[in-house]
Amino acid sequence: AQKITQTQPGMFVQEKEAVTLDCTYDTSDQSYGLFWYKQPSSGEMIFLIYQGSYDEQNATEGRYSLNFQKARKSANLVISASQLGDSAMYFCAMRGGNYGQNFVFGPGTRLSVLP
Amino acid sequence: KAGVTQTPRYLIKTRGQQVTLSCSPISGHRSVSWYQQTPGQGLQFLFEYFSETQRNKGNFPGRFSGRQFSNSRSEMNVSTLELGDSALYLCASSLPGQGPKETQYFGPGTRLLVL
Repeated sequence: AQKITQTQPGMFVQEKEAVTLDCTYDTSDQSYGLFWYKQPSSGEMIFLIYQGSYDEQNATEGRYSLNFQKARKSANLVISASQLGDSAMYFCAMRGGNYGQNFVFGPGTRLSVLP
Repeated sequence: KAGVTQTPRYLIKTRGQQVTLSCSPISGHRSVSWYQQTPGQGLQFLFEYFSETQRNKGNFPGRFSGRQFSNSRSEMNVSTLELGDSALYLCASSLPGQGPKETQYFGPGTRLLVL
């Protein structure tokens, strides 16, 4: 069975600073995908970034980057230059490589950006 | 390209009633997944439909059911509502056939309140 763990229920960061949100996962699949989503107070889940298990380089999307350490089974999200609009819940998720496997989500981390 | 749409956005029902929620996926996406999100239980997977067939199912009672139409639009139904069914119901669509890279894109959700 696949499992996602996010050990930080809440995080605070000062505006313009960088912040790392932790995510560890457990799977026996050799091929899998890791995802991060942002959920503002409005409720909609916004896709941020994807990392494949066979990708040799860490994924980056604008201010978001994924610190992928396969041996440690971790996929931490790094947000550079935090903005007030980054305050939200952040969810780490994974999908296994077998056809038809559904997403597994972590419990989420609430990030608060302080002015 | 239009995103995932969900209707209605807000709903108030009383115990014992039934409710039907609708989801229209991104054009071309043939897979639709449903999730229930509550403060206590987090994000829980309900079911996934692909080409009008249920591909995966979460651990929910039979009161929760769904279906998908030939145009990929999906509905979920909850019969005999209970107070604990009050939640944000999220729908996500994806383009199957990409293996672990298959990314889910979410709609704005339907907030259901059961009184």
